[in-house]
Amino acid sequence: GQQVMQIPQYQHVQEGEDFTTYCNSSTTLSNIQWYKQRPGGHPVFLIQLVKSGEVKKQKRLTFQFGEAKKNSSLHITATQTTDVGTYFCAGRGVGFQKLVFGTGTRLLVSP
Amino acid sequence: DVKVTQSSRYLVKRTGEKVFLECVQDMDHENMFWYRQDPGLGLRLIYFSYDVKMKEKGDIPEGYSVSREKKERFSLILESASTNQTSMYLCASNPSSGGRDEQFFGPGTRLTVL
Repeated sequence: GQQVMQIPQYQHVQEGEDFTTYCNSSTTLSNIQWYKQRPGGHPVFLIQLVKSGEVKKQKRLTFQFGEAKKNSSLHITATQTTDVGTYFCAGRGVGFQKLVFGTGTRLLVSP
Repeated sequence: DVKVTQSSRYLVKRTGEKVFLECVQDMDHENMFWYRQDPGLGLRLIYFSYDVKMKEKGDIPEGYSVSREKKERFSLILESASTNQTSMYLCASNPSSGGRDEQFFGPGTRLTVL
């Protein structure tokens, strides 16, 4: 079945440094979503990417969807302590298959 | 404001007990989901439902069952709880149409089985 892998599993950065998490699917995706889960909280939707090669920005966050629609990345510029949490990608296979979540990347930001 | 609620934030049960986890959404969403979240494994889909009285197995349905008698309510049942079912359980919902595919999550229930 479809698998979605995320790397790294964990990253610790100093405030102001950049951060990137990568997501790779075993199959072609119809869309990919990103969620953020704060410590002690629940996943909250950030964005959805649909088109091949799509790039979207939300303030300091940049999301990319690969040309082959099998991988994606989330880049945070100049991290802040409020960015702490676990970031999940979630991919939906072609043909309305169910959403499969990645394993998540836990980000820790030190002031 | 969109809201998904779960019956308990924390639950402690004993091995062999029957456990009910309740989830209610107030958004009139057709689709509802149950996930479990374990460190290093991400969110894994247990069961989902796309309509009242309909249910589909997810990736890890063994040891679980579900019930959806009303559109707003989706229950997860552990027929005979075991220690390997100790986990965080997350309920989510989303609409069938509208273009956006995002899932709305409840606060989660942290279940400990002793």
